Amino acid sequence: EAGVAQSPRYKIIEKRQSVAFWCNPISGHATLYWYQQILGQGPKLLIQFQNNGVVDDSQLPKDRFSAERLKGVDSTLKIQPAKLEDSAVYLCASSLSGDSNQPQHFGDGTRLSIL
Amino acid sequence: AQSVAQPEDQVNVAEGNPLTVKCTYSVSGNPYLFWYVQYPNRGLQFLLKYITGDNLVKGSYGFEAEFNKSQTSFHLKKPSALVSDSALYFCAVRDYGNNRLAFGKGNQVVVIP
Repeated sequence: EAGVAQSPRYKIIEKRQSVAFWCNPISGHATLYWYQQILGQGPKLLIQFQNNGVVDDSQLPKDRFSAERLKGVDSTLKIQPAKLEDSAVYLCASSLSGDSNQPQHFGDGTRLSIL
Repeated sequence: AQSVAQPEDQVNVAEGNPLTVKCTYSVSGNPYLFWYVQYPNRGLQFLLKYITGDNLVKGSYGFEAEFNKSQTSFHLKKPSALVSDSALYFCAVRDYGNNRLAFGKGNQVVVIP
């Protein structure tokens, strides 16, 4: 089966600019996650969708980050305006359902560098 | 809130020797435990999970992990390490009823030929 697809793989922008990342989950996976992975740390959940609804966005900096999954399939994460501390790898993951025992399947991520 | 500790930054092991990567966790209820591996410039790959049942869990690529409730540990093991096992390993825990997956900081494993 095809894995989780993410684009772009790399992005370099200046601070205060905006950027968007795209994710297409594994076909049939109802749950989609966006994570931020800062160098030397484990991934940190930003937002979780169940179909097209938000389940958990408590760790999303809502003053600058936004995400949508309008048709319950692919998703977009946006940062506007970007800050230096947003430099990280942004990982998208999906799972068959949101049940706690389901493993998550990760894409290869988008590496964001802020100048 | 649930949390994971991976006490060692890097684990060095000679090829063919046993490999152990340590993980301890903290949850308020029953834990769901996972191990993932990350190769350079790639996403995380699922290795194995503990949900319930047998404390020894077998996973992909010859890896296994042992759940120890009294020590709140879930150490990852492989009897004979390969050079290709060199990667970053993450332990993660979910609290039953709380969907958020909490990751440790990761352990870099270096297998020396």
